[in-house]
Formats: sequence, structure tokens, C-alpha cells
Amino acid sequence: DTAVSQTPKYLVTQMGNDKSIKCEQNLGHDTMYWYKQDSKKFLKIMFSYNNKELIINETVPNRFSPKSPDKAHLNLHINSLELGDSAVYFCASSLGTGLMQFFGPGTRLTVL
Amino acid sequence: SQQGEEDPQALSIQEGENATMNCSYKTSINNLQWYRQNSGRGLVHLILIRSNEREKHSGRLRVTLDTSKKSSSLLITASRAADTASYFCATVGNQFYFGTGTSLTVIP
Repeated sequence: DTAVSQTPKYLVTQMGNDKSIKCEQNLGHDTMYWYKQDSKKFLKIMFSYNNKELIINETVPNRFSPKSPDKAHLNLHINSLELGDSAVYFCASSLGTGLMQFFGPGTRLTVL
Repeated sequence: SQQGEEDPQALSIQEGENATMNCSYKTSINNLQWYRQNSGRGLVHLILIRSNEREKHSGRLRVTLDTSKKSSSLLITASRAADTASYFCATVGNQFYFGTGTSLTVIP
């Protein structure tokens, strides 16, 4: 019954590796987002997808690539992980843009 | 730069007291939203106020918006220990920005 789910919840990996985080929503929303929250709780939007079209890309490094196989899924793939990528990544969804968002539980990524 | 700035950064009150958090922003908005984040969890939407609205209520929450001053406030009345969390404002215009957050501690 979870509205927005993410896997894995925790991810520990070495620098230079490639990893993916999966996100699924069962709310029938048409817009999904990825956020990065750093250790100071600063929350920054990374991407959003509306009807499979990328509509926001907040100057994130091109090592990060969102992949949306369908409206219910927006996965985040990260290449060549760096120490600075360590953070909590949140997926969210909404019905339409600019309206209230439903967040997933977060994925805590630690790069060693 | 970050759109929303919140103050105070941290707030500690006794149960039963009211808590007020403020959010200031820089550019024009369509709406402003408030979210709560419990420790180790995702954000939960609390309330949305449109740019043509000045005040909105939801249970023990009261939100005001002053577009001339580019500021909003969130008031939680009769606080409870369960209200302990971080509170974020989010401004929605051409972009979607979250504020820096206020960490609220309600002491039982």
C-alpha cells in the first residue's frame, strides 16, 4: 500500500562504481521527481519527469541520469560515484506540476 | 541560489505552546507549500497556499502569506511532542525550491 517506494533504503559503495536507485509510485501521478538532501538537510531538486518528458534538470552532473520506463517509475542511475555524492536521495510524485508532492522514504547513499 | 530561507533554524518549546516558523523568498510564486520531515523519513505535505490567498487553516496549522513582503509563516498551535520534526517551506513559481528548514523540538 506504500504510495511512493524506493529501493534500496541504504546503499554503501566504493568511489568509481555505478549504482541505481529505483522509485515507484502507485498514486496514478503524472509527474515524478528526484531530490538530494545533504547532511545539513538542504533539499535540492535534481530532476522531474512529466509524462515521460524531462522538464527540470537543476544543473546536476551528467553522471546522474534519470530513467523512466513508464509513468509509475523514475529510476536514478549514477555513474562513477564520488565522495560528494553521499547524501539521502528522495523520490517524489505529484498530480500535475507545482502541486503537493508525495515523498518516498529516501535512500541513504554512502560513497567510501 | 536557494529560493526559500527559513527562520529560526531551530526552535525548542514546551508541549502546549505555539510554534511559529517563517519563510522568506526572492521571486514571484504561484503557490507556497509547507512540509514536515520526521527524522530519517521522507517529507509529508502539510498545506498549500496560493499566491492570491492570505491565510489558510488546517487543524492546528495556520499559514499566512504576504506576497508584498515575500514571506510566509507557519503557526502550530497547542504543540505536541509528536510535532517534533523539521519543517520546510517550498516555493513554486517557474521552479520548485525548498527552504533551509526549521528544526522544531517539542518538550513533553
